[in-house]
Amino acid sequence: ETGVTQTPRHLVMGMTNKKSLKCEQHLGHNAMYWYKQSAKKPLELMFVYSLEERVENNSVPSRFSPECPNSSHLFLHLHTLQPEDSALYLCASSQEKQVKNIQYFGAGTRLSVL
Amino acid sequence: AQSVTQPDIHITVSEGASLELRCNYSYGATPYLFWYVQSPGQGLQLLLKYFSGDTLVQGIKGFEAEFKRSQSSFNLRKPSVHWSDAAEYFCAVGPFYNQGGKLIFGQGTELSVKP
Repeated sequence: ETGVTQTPRHLVMGMTNKKSLKCEQHLGHNAMYWYKQSAKKPLELMFVYSLEERVENNSVPSRFSPECPNSSHLFLHLHTLQPEDSALYLCASSQEKQVKNIQYFGAGTRLSVL
Repeated sequence: AQSVTQPDIHITVSEGASLELRCNYSYGATPYLFWYVQSPGQGLQLLLKYFSGDTLVQGIKGFEAEFKRSQSSFNLRKPSVHWSDAAEYFCAVGPFYNQGGKLIFGQGTELSVKP
């Protein structure tokens, strides 16, 4: 148990659906991250939030929409996804958004887009 | 461009044998260096990190890694592998000057352990 909880663990959705991924951290951190993990590819950083402000958006398509209502919660809203968006989506948190601060990862949401 | 290379996609070792996983990076200066492990169905867990000082760092679960500046490498080692070490291992680097939280990950090395 890392202190970072992601729900749901598995999600199957059609290309026209709208769904949301949720991440909650119980570590008192103030930076949160979304990563995409595709098979046989390095983890891709999608978004970084620091003190509830989005500080990085790595050219992610607009069909992915993050939301950080407070420092403990992070959402990833999904709409009109493509099959190539099928992947494991990992949430992480750290004390601050500095590299030397260790990132703690959740177990991920396995997303399948049909 | 900044990059991390893990040359071995999949390694199989016998239980009790020694292990070395390779990691090479391309970076403008000495970065922060990390090794993470991901067990099936789990998120990533930090094994160890190098920021500065002694180039041989100890981590959890009996792992160690050695930073070699001349080779731009940060290889992970364990003297005796246990069946529970079967997992995927990721090397990652980040900027030394603390800019943002961006880590660059390698592709990962999947470790299988034979009885």
